[in-house]
Amino acid sequence: DAGVIQSPRHEVTEMGQEVTLRCKPISGHDYLFWYRQTMMRGLELLIYFNNNVPIDDSGMPEDRFSAKMPNASFSTLKIQPSEPRDSAVYFCASTPSLILGEQYFGPGTRLTVT
Amino acid sequence: GQQLNQSPQSMFIQEGEDVSMNCTSSSIFNTWLWYKQDPGEGPVLLIALYKAGELTSNGRLTAQFGITRKDSFLNISASIPSDVGIYFCAGPGRNTDKLIFGTGTRLQVFP
Repeated sequence: DAGVIQSPRHEVTEMGQEVTLRCKPISGHDYLFWYRQTMMRGLELLIYFNNNVPIDDSGMPEDRFSAKMPNASFSTLKIQPSEPRDSAVYFCASTPSLILGEQYFGPGTRLTVT
Repeated sequence: GQQLNQSPQSMFIQEGEDVSMNCTSSSIFNTWLWYKQDPGEGPVLLIALYKAGELTSNGRLTAQFGITRKDSFLNISASIPSDVGIYFCAGPGRNTDKLIFGTGTRLQVFP
């Protein structure tokens, strides 16, 4: 079975532009997580979904960030408008169970906002 | 809040050497996870531990769940260049659905 799939792998955009990151979780995993990783702050949880419903978005930095999960096999993280401080690697992860705690990560999208 | 502290922060070793790193917390964890992140990739789960005292191996990797539930260690035997990367410990936070990640140990292996 394929792992978590993310696209694009790299995104370079100008400040003020809209950015959309995409994720396909592992089939059968009911939980999907969006993380951001920077050197300064490490891995930060932005939001997570259970059965396509957002459960906790307390990590979303501000209103410029939004995430959706229209079905069990697809999620998007959108930044509008983007700013240079949004430059980071964004990871999507999925898990079949919160009890066990194991999460499986995608390869990430490296976002650069100039 | 709960935190996971990893040591050492970084290690520079020669190929063939054994490696030991650990993860500690001031609070109890019921699960310990060890991940490895290669440069430019996402974290990959190496070992999961669910019981205090549990010792689990995965090839050259061995990890233990501390008896106090407040620590865990990861050993790598006979290191090879592809062991290079950042190793993270993680565990589900108390009263939360979120995974808490450690600060990471960066491993560099020289041939």
